[in-house]
Amino acid sequence: SQKIEQNSEALNIQEGKTATLTCNYTNYSPAYLQWYRQDPGRGPVFLLLIRENEKEKRKERLKVTFDTTLKQSLFHITASQPADSATYLCALDGDSNSGYALNFGKGTSLLVTP
Amino acid sequence: EAQVTQNPRYLITVTGKKLTVTCSQNMNHEYMSWYRQDPGLGLRQIYYSMNVEVTDKGDVPEGYKVSRKEKRNFPLILESPSPNQTSLYFCASSSTGAGYTFGSGTRLTVV
Repeated sequence: SQKIEQNSEALNIQEGKTATLTCNYTNYSPAYLQWYRQDPGRGPVFLLLIRENEKEKRKERLKVTFDTTLKQSLFHITASQPADSATYLCALDGDSNSGYALNFGKGTSLLVTP
Repeated sequence: EAQVTQNPRYLITVTGKKLTVTCSQNMNHEYMSWYRQDPGLGLRQIYYSMNVEVTDKGDVPEGYKVSRKEKRNFPLILESPSPNQTSLYFCASSSTGAGYTFGSGTRLTVV
């Protein structure tokens, strides 16, 4: 069956350090991989999308890598700030039979302390 | 402002009383989707739509119906709600190859 796995344990880091979150998947051949941020009780907010033929993408302090051989994506936040504290979700589109059905991992909670 | 609007934000209802949660987007997006979010289970897709009159089941469609008569609207219908449908619901929309824009959520309690 298809699985998207993210670290279930919360990640605690100090302000200014780089946070690295991992997303592993099985039984998917995604055209895209996406990362979202979610704050408690609110809807997810889209951050970055990376295509299967892209290795890396950057946006301000965010960097995403995508390794289709390892079936893994890494999400980095450099120079982290307390305001970056949130849950980060990885999402993949389904296969060609399911159209654009976006499936989410359960998320990793990030806490950045001053 | 580009947005997805869900209503209501909060709803308490009784078992068996039909209800509709509305969702509207103003971005002319082709794709729309409904998710429910429960503690420990994450976001699970209920139904999605690739365009007008084209809908398909997600991972947890039982007990729900949807329709897509117009591009901007994608209502979620619970014909006979049950307590196990108590959850936080999100509507989202997207265009091809882009990220989803999510609504603010509807917190539903069925007693």
